[in-house]
Amino acid sequence: GQNIDQPTEMTATEGAIVQINCTYQTSGFNGLFWYQQHAGEAPTFLSYNVLDGLEEKGRFSSFLSRSKGYSYLLLKELQMKDSASYLCVLGDGGYIPTFGRGTSLIVHP
Amino acid sequence: GAGVSQSPSNKVTEKGKDVELRCDPISGHTALYWYRQRLGQGLEFLIYFQGNSAPDKSGLPSDRFSAERTGESVSTLTIQRTQQEDSAVYLCASSRRTSNEQYFGPGTRLTVT
Repeated sequence: GQNIDQPTEMTATEGAIVQINCTYQTSGFNGLFWYQQHAGEAPTFLSYNVLDGLEEKGRFSSFLSRSKGYSYLLLKELQMKDSASYLCVLGDGGYIPTFGRGTSLIVHP
Repeated sequence: GAGVSQSPSNKVTEKGKDVELRCDPISGHTALYWYRQRLGQGLEFLIYFQGNSAPDKSGLPSDRFSAERTGESVSTLTIQRTQQEDSAVYLCASSRRTSNEQYFGPGTRLTVT
């Protein structure tokens, strides 16, 4: 089976940097995804890591350590529109990804 | 290009009635998923289709739930004899392959009164 752990809620200030951590346990692995979900909307894809290391995409970066079962999503130069839920999603080698409960990020002025 | 579409966007139904939800995936996407998301909760996997293979129904919560897919196109999720606990947003997602990122539709908000 799989188990995903990420903080329930985080707050940060506009313009700051925030790191959202995700730890997981799994018997198989074929990638880790991060999705963003604004309130009342569907999730949208942010990043995908299958190899260890940092993937940078604009203001967002995602890091993976397979040996530690650990990933983080780094958001720089925070904007108010970044207030959303961030979902850590695990591909366990099968075809049904496992979604974490999500981290609700609140960005305040 | 066109994304994943779902209809209706909102559905209010009386307890005991049947409902049918529709999903049109992105053209060329062979994998299609249905999820349920209750208010303030995470995504709950319901069913998965891959091309013409038999679907994975392991996430369906009861035999009141069923789904079909026509080839690699439209899918319908049917809930029979709806109950109040069925109230949720039902999300459909498609992807090119099972290991790729998923593209979600806007969801159908189902309210059972």
